[in-house]
Amino acid sequence: QSVLTQPPSVSAAPGQKVTISCSGSSSNIGNNYISWYQHLPGTAPKLLISESDKRPSGIPDRFSGSKSGTSATLGITGLQTGDEADYYCGTWDSSLSAYVFGTGTKVTVL
Amino acid sequence: EVQLLQSGGNLVQPGGSLRLSCAASGFTFNNYALSWVRQAPGKGLEWVSAISGTGISTYYADSVKGRFTISRDNSKHTLYLQMNSLRAEDTAVYYCAKEGAPPSFDYWGQGTLVTVSS
Repeated sequence: QSVLTQPPSVSAAPGQKVTISCSGSSSNIGNNYISWYQHLPGTAPKLLISESDKRPSGIPDRFSGSKSGTSATLGITGLQTGDEADYYCGTWDSSLSAYVFGTGTKVTVL
Repeated sequence: EVQLLQSGGNLVQPGGSLRLSCAASGFTFNNYALSWVRQAPGKGLEWVSAISGTGISTYYADSVKGRFTISRDNSKHTLYLQMNSLRAEDTAVYYCAKEGAPPSFDYWGQGTLVTVSS
C-alpha cells in the first residue's frame, strides 16, 4: 500500500496534453524532491524527471514536472502513441527511511 | 556508457534462498548508492533495498527486512541481493538501479525474474 497516490489511468487523443498527479505528505513529497519514471512492459523503467522539475539529458521537453507542498504533477504535451506506458512518481520518505513509489498511472493514447 | 547487467533470477521453492547480482560499468562505482526495485505480476514498482556508496549504510523495505541482505563489492563493481526465506509474494521482476540526483534512479538494470513456487 503506497504512501504516494496517483490516478489509476488518464487518457487523451494524440497531440493533446495529460497531467498526472502524485499526492503525498510532509514526510515524503513535502520535504524531498520528486522523480518521475516511465515504464513500458518488459523494459526497465526510465527516469523522466528528477529534482521535481529537471529533465535528464535526452528526455524531450514535452515532459515537465512541478511540485507544490505535498503534491506533484507530471505533464505530457503533444501526446504520442509511444507515450503509452505506466508512469510512477517516487521520492524518499524520511519517516519510513525508505524510497516510496506512487501507485502508478496508465496513460492511454486514444 | 553506464551499464548495469543483472544475473541470478530463477525458480525457487518457498523458504528457499537466491542471490541476485548486478555488474556495473561506465561510472565511478563507489561514488554512488545503489538500490533494488521489484515489480510483482500485475502490481506497481516497489523499492526493496538501498546501499550507500561505501556499503556502510543499508536500508530495507519492511516487507523484506530480516530476510534480504543487500551488499556490494566495490573492487568488483558488483551489487548483490541475498534473498532468504523466500515467499510466494516475493515473486517479481527485480531491477538494480543507480542513484541519480537524489532521490532518483537514473540508470536501471535489465531486470531478472524471481519466481517463488513449489
